[in-house]
Amino acid sequence: EVQLVQSGAEVKKPGESLKISCQGSGYNFARNWIGWVRQMPGEGPEWMGIIYPGDSDTRYSPSFQGQVTISADKSTSTAHLQWGSLKASDTAMYYCATTQWLRHFQHWGQGTLVTVSS
Amino acid sequence: QSALTQPASVSGSPGQSITISCTGTSSDVGDYNYVSWYQQYPGKAPKLMIYDVSNRPSGVSDRFSGSKSGDTASLTISGLQAEDEADYYCSSYTSRRILFGAGTRVTVL
Repeated sequence: EVQLVQSGAEVKKPGESLKISCQGSGYNFARNWIGWVRQMPGEGPEWMGIIYPGDSDTRYSPSFQGQVTISADKSTSTAHLQWGSLKASDTAMYYCATTQWLRHFQHWGQGTLVTVSS
Repeated sequence: QSALTQPASVSGSPGQSITISCTGTSSDVGDYNYVSWYQQYPGKAPKLMIYDVSNRPSGVSDRFSGSKSGDTASLTISGLQAEDEADYYCSSYTSRRILFGAGTRVTVL
């Protein structure tokens, strides 16, 4: 069974940095694209970026390019999403999910709630 | 503003069929057979229900079906049940991106 387990909720102040994680199991982590999706309260999902853990090939949505960094460690089957300087507008739920090269997102993590407030 | 247009809400009585539309453009829904649909309960992660316009992942009820005509895709739920009450989102691949709709709240009366 494919499982994606994300790190816990975070509360941060504007300007702080943050790295959240997503550990995959039950499938070949290195050979499957995995992506990050933002969902703000009451809104639809938004694709942020995807990574191929096998060679770390990474593609970003134009909306998030330069705003976040996506990485993956195939030795621990873990993908990461990180911010260098958080803003209040980054407050949202963030999901990781496996993807067939953006055709769809198949298996989803449980989500990580990020709250940025002074 | 979402790139794909969905009705904000759709409702139906138990046993009825309902259809949710998802309208895009000739550059996304109209150009690729990579439309998918997701079900989301409050506080839960989305769940893939339909992919590649009309395919169901293993374990998804055959009461859920998808189709597409031109720039509009549709999700039909047959034999509506109380457990179908949730938010539904469509998505479409387009030119190295994936677009989502703003979602449709399905209410079972």
